[in-house]
Amino acid sequence: EVQLVESGGGLVEPGRSLRLSCTASGFPFRDYPMTWFRQAPGKGLEWIGFIRSKDYGGTTQYAASVKGRFSISRDDSRTIAYLQMNTLKTEDTAVYYCTRTLRSDILTGFYLWGQGTLVTVSS
Amino acid sequence: QSVLTQPPSASGTPGQRVTISCSGSSSNIENNYVFWYQQLPGTAPKLLIYRNDQRPSGVPDRFSGSKSGPSASLSISGLRSEDEADYYCAAWDDSLTGWVFGGGTKLTVL
Repeated sequence: EVQLVESGGGLVEPGRSLRLSCTASGFPFRDYPMTWFRQAPGKGLEWIGFIRSKDYGGTTQYAASVKGRFSISRDDSRTIAYLQMNTLKTEDTAVYYCTRTLRSDILTGFYLWGQGTLVTVSS
Repeated sequence: QSVLTQPPSASGTPGQRVTISCSGSSSNIENNYVFWYQQLPGTAPKLLIYRNDQRPSGVPDRFSGSKSGPSASLSISGLRSEDEADYYCAAWDDSLTGWVFGGGTKLTVL
C-alpha cells in the first residue's frame, strides 16, 4: 500500500527538541522530494520545508519561520524522512504532516499525505 | 495574515455551482502554478487541482481550476453535501522562496 506514516509527536517543553519520522511505503521513496507542513489548531496550512531527492542533490529548503531551528533529512535505505525540531516554541504547536508529490517533479502538487502527528509545546 | 487571499467562507445548495477565489501577486500566482487542496474535518488535505487546472486521477470533473494574472479560482459544480470542507489554494512564491497558502475557505452546503 502506498502510504506515509508520521510518528514522534507528543508533548514537549519549550526550548526542547523533538524528531519526527515519516515512514514511506509502496513507492520508490528515493525518487521523490519529501515535504513537511504543519497546521496549528484551528488554523491554515503552513509549509515548513522540503528535501530534494539524491538525484537532485538531496538539498533542503526551509520556511523563514523555522530556518535555523528545524532541519529535514532522509534515509533512502530505510525510506524514512525526518524533521528535527530544535528550540521549540509554544507557537510550534501543530499537527505536522509529511507529504509526497504526485510525481517526482515537485511542481505536481502534494498528493500523498500522512495522517499527521500532533506536537504540543507547553510547560 | 496569509500571503494568498481567500474568502473565509462560501456556501451553496446541493446542485449549485460555487466558485472560490484566490488572490496573489506577481511573485506567486501570476508567474507560478496554482494548486488547490480540500480538507475534510479531522483529515489530512487532499490534492484537488495541480498546475492551475489539472485534476489528479480520481478527482471528479465537478472540480475545476483556472488562473488569470495574479488570481485563481476553484469551481465546484453540482454541489454535494460531501463537498463541505475547507479549501486552500497554494503556490510557490519566488520572493519568499517557499510555498505559500491562502487562509482557507470553509464551504458550507446548505
